Amino acid sequence: DAKTTQPTSMDCAEGRAANLPCNHSTISGNEYVYWYRQIHSQGPQYIIHGLKNNETNEMASLIITEDRKSSTLILPHATLRDTAVYYCMSGYSTLTFGKGTMLLVSP
Amino acid sequence: GAVVSQHPSWVICKSGTSVKIECRSLDFQATTMFWYRQFPKQSLMLMATSNEGSKATYEQGVEKDKFLINHASLTLSTLTVTSAHPEDSSFYICSASFRTQRGEQFFGPGTRLTVL
Repeated sequence: DAKTTQPTSMDCAEGRAANLPCNHSTISGNEYVYWYRQIHSQGPQYIIHGLKNNETNEMASLIITEDRKSSTLILPHATLRDTAVYYCMSGYSTLTFGKGTMLLVSP
Repeated sequence: GAVVSQHPSWVICKSGTSVKIECRSLDFQATTMFWYRQFPKQSLMLMATSNEGSKATYEQGVEKDKFLINHASLTLSTLTVTSAHPEDSSFYICSASFRTQRGEQFFGPGTRLTVL
């Protein structure tokens, strides 16, 4: 599985959009980009995934660059409950969790 | 949809005893189930991958005789920690996948194991 790099932490004001970047420059052609999040002391929660095209669901949007070397997860209107560690991973059959980005949403 | 449960949510046991953790997919049939371990302030580490009816595939460094995995049906997998020691104390999390693309996994709430 390709390695990803993410900022260690980010802050966001409640109600604003949270844009979480991820670099996956070694991703191979058939590997997807996955985003999960983990709220403290809970199991991770699936957010979204994509291969080439941008994706949107009820939780978030995923923007993948044309060369697929990076992506951005967008939470359009962050709430306090979105405070969590966000993991970006690339792969096909298994997930390799890195350190993720700790997103703190403040009032 | 795609709900995964774990039981128990927490357990405390004495050193040397065995502990069984159950993982169930409640509303779908899981072709593959995964077991992870997470130590405090660290990320999740994959322990093993199992497919229904076949032996689990363990990650390097994970003792298969210590962490017994049984995947008897498409909705149930169990992890047994045998002869538990204090260093086995951790947060154990299972996940399940029903797609060919197994990166899309649905996680259980986790089981906190404390070995005294």
